[in-house]
Order: sequence, then structure tokens, then C-alpha cells
Amino acid sequence: KAGVTQTPRYLIKTRGQQVTLSCSPISGHRSVSWYQQTPGQGLQFLFEYFSETQRNKGNFPGRFSGRQFSNSRSEMNVSTLELGDSALYLCASSRAGTGDYEQYFGPGTRLTVT
Amino acid sequence: LAKTTQPISMDSYEGQEVNITCSHNNIATNDYITWYQQFPSQGPRFIIQGYKTKVTNEVASLFIPADRKSSTLSLPRVSLSDTAVYYCLVGDSNYGGSQGNLIFGKGTKLSVKP
Repeated sequence: KAGVTQTPRYLIKTRGQQVTLSCSPISGHRSVSWYQQTPGQGLQFLFEYFSETQRNKGNFPGRFSGRQFSNSRSEMNVSTLELGDSALYLCASSRAGTGDYEQYFGPGTRLTVT
Repeated sequence: LAKTTQPISMDSYEGQEVNITCSHNNIATNDYITWYQQFPSQGPRFIIQGYKTKVTNEVASLFIPADRKSSTLSLPRVSLSDTAVYYCLVGDSNYGGSQGNLIFGKGTKLSVKP
């Protein structure tokens, strides 16, 4: 069974631009979550989508948004990029259950904002 | 708001048992407590999860006391390949209610020496 895939793997953007990251979950998984990982803040939860609806959300500003398509694939968008948005963005998929945190992570997208 | 605390680092020798404890409060009452392992340049990998008492799988055990204010990951007979960062993951008390947050611990860097 194919794992979680994320594209692109690396990205360099300029402050003020916007970026869209893509995630394809494991076949049959209906929940997709997004995380930001930085050396200073560690792993931080951005949001979770299930059946095309945002089900949970972390403490990030509205510049961070996402969506999920009917095939469970998900995209994450960051608008008006700031230097502090430089991070590894991880996507994780799981079967569905609320309260069940057995997630499978992709390799991440390394975003550098200059 | 849920909060987690785990040791920053631990050292061990091959063949020893390693116990890593995560303290957590204000967590979702009906959700699992989950642990992940992360190697450099990879996404986190699910190790084990439990709700209460003790859970064991082929790679680890997880001990959760009745008050669920902490959890202890136990790795039996570690090897050099167990050198990694270990994270606990909990949901805050709002998770599942559309505005809930998932909280990762800051991670414990385990170094296994020969």
C-alpha cells in the first residue's frame, strides 16, 4: 500500500507570496491533518480535514488555510508569507476515528521563505 | 488548554530498557494517548497508543495511570537503531468538537550507545 505523499518536497518563496502544498493520503484514509515543524516550536497542529470538512483547528492565523477534496487529497495554503513560516510542513492521514491518533505521516515539504 | 512535558534528552546503552514519561493535563477525556518516533529528515512514525492501564505491541509498551495525567513509553532492550526523537501526542479537551487542538510534546531525544 502506498504511503502518504507530499508535493513538492522543497520550496523556496519570497516574503509576501503565497504557497500551496499538496498531500495524498493512504488509500482508504479519510482524515488528513497538517502540522508545522520548526526547531524552536517543535511539531504544531495546523488543522484536520475529514470528508471535505475542517474538523479541528490549531492556533494558527487565518493566513493558513486548507481544503480537502472528495478523493481525500488535501491542500494547504499559506498567504502573505512571512520569514517565520519557514518550516517543514507535514501531512498525516488516518482512517477516521475521532480520538484515535494513529496517523501516518508523509516525508514533508520543506518551505524556505526569503 | 492541554499541556505536555517530557524530558529533552536521554542516554542509554544497547540492551537496556528505556522509559520515557510525558506529563499531560487538560486532555480530552475519551481520546487515546499516542507516541511517535522520528528520525532525521523523516516524518514521525506511529509507535503505540492507549487509553488507560497498559498496552503492549511488538516494539513497545505504554503505561497510563488511572488519572491519565501522564504516560510512560517503555522500549525494551534498545538498539542503536532506536536512536531518535520520541514524541507524545494528546488531544486537548476540545478536540473532536470542531475547534480542538492536538498537542505534541517537545520531544525526547534518545541516544543509544554501544
